[in-house]
Amino acid sequence: AQSVTQLGSHVSVSEGALVLLRCNYSSSVPPYLFWYVQYPNQGLQLLLKYTSAATLVKGINGFEAEFKKSETSFHLTKPSAHMSDAAEYFCAVTTASSASKIIFGSGTRLSIRP
Amino acid sequence: DGGITQSPKYLFRKEGQNVTLSCEQNLNHDAMYWYRQDPGQGLRLIYYSQIVNDFQKGDIAEGYSVSREKKESFPLTVTSAQKNPTAFYLCASSTQRGRMANEKLFFGSGTQLSVL
Repeated sequence: AQSVTQLGSHVSVSEGALVLLRCNYSSSVPPYLFWYVQYPNQGLQLLLKYTSAATLVKGINGFEAEFKKSETSFHLTKPSAHMSDAAEYFCAVTTASSASKIIFGSGTRLSIRP
Repeated sequence: DGGITQSPKYLFRKEGQNVTLSCEQNLNHDAMYWYRQDPGQGLRLIYYSQIVNDFQKGDIAEGYSVSREKKESFPLTVTSAQKNPTAFYLCASSTQRGRMANEKLFFGSGTQLSVL
């Protein structure tokens, strides 16, 4: 079975600072990994996904994530935070053999300080 | 515009009452999902359906029921057996081309269920 762990339920950064949201996964087979963003009282939107094509994945809104198999990590970064980035971020994992069961992490709330 | 519509946005349940949350999609997606979201716990899978007239239990199916009579619709009933129903419920859908696992989920805007 696969799982994801998001380190830090709340991250606060200053506007213009680097954003780093951590995600570690566990999977006995090659995983597919996703980052989703949720704004208040809304559903989730896909930021980016890793599907084994390239280890560095670029997503929307300037976010990117790097798949590191040796560290079983898929951390999300953005060079310069914007006030509009304040939201909750979820890491998720699935595999080819369990395509219908997408497992989500517990989420990280990102706050941006002016 | 194509998308997923959940209704109502807010729902209140009395003790012993069953309530049904609606989820409709016009994306022509085969697979549909129901997730429950509690603060600090992320999303947990309740039920999912890969095809009309078929559905499977997720990780927390007890106290819930679903039906999939039409491709576009996947309603969730929260029964009186669910003793702690207060949560934010999210419906999602995805394509299932050859069971490709890398297809993203499209989410509705959610229903907040509270107990009176």
